[in-house]
Amino acid sequence: GAVVSQHPSRVICKSGTSVKIECRSLDFQATTMFWYRQFPKKSLMLMATSNEGSKATYEQGVEKDKFLINHASLTLSTLTVTSAHPEDSSFYICSAAGGSRDTQYFGPGTRLTVL
Amino acid sequence: QKEVEQNSGPLSVPEGAIASLNCTYSDRGSQSFFWYRQYSGKSPELIMSIYSNGDKEDGRFTAQLNKASQYVSLLIRDSQPSDSATYLCAVKTSYDKVIFGPGTSLSVIP
Repeated sequence: GAVVSQHPSRVICKSGTSVKIECRSLDFQATTMFWYRQFPKKSLMLMATSNEGSKATYEQGVEKDKFLINHASLTLSTLTVTSAHPEDSSFYICSAAGGSRDTQYFGPGTRLTVL
Repeated sequence: QKEVEQNSGPLSVPEGAIASLNCTYSDRGSQSFFWYRQYSGKSPELIMSIYSNGDKEDGRFTAQLNKASQYVSLLIRDSQPSDSATYLCAVKTSYDKVIFGPGTSLSVIP
């Protein structure tokens, strides 16, 4: 149980384009989903927290207009990187949590490369 | 003081030895604690969670929690080369936020 999928696993795009990443909880209802980014050999950096049906809460320094998050249902959240630039190239990972213990289960991640 | 700290790595242990990973946290009201393993280039995977003081065992893994000392550890018995990874400690704080530590890199030498 507690499987989280993420799509796509890898994406290469041109500078200036937008990229959408999907995160799905496959076998449980995720009341909260989290989006992280991670640079090589660095720690996880929380970008935002989203609850189903409400606006995402962004961490300090994360541009909400650049990283659009939608949590439309209890099993799906999306992250759209708008007008991507090479410095947005990173490993983006979602996680989902449900229940009172708030254990987070991670998706496999999306490796974004912006040319 | 950082909210969640882990002993700096990399930590190297010989195959078959016990690996000991440590984590301290600053919020005394924290109630939930998690250990994740992350292989290079992959996302974190949950190893175990612990909520009460004492030890919790799952196979070769034992988590130890001491809330009075604000300390949580992970012991890996009979370490295998496949255990080589970065281990992340995560703490759910009293203000309902899960904070991840920076991770400790473990290398098990055959």
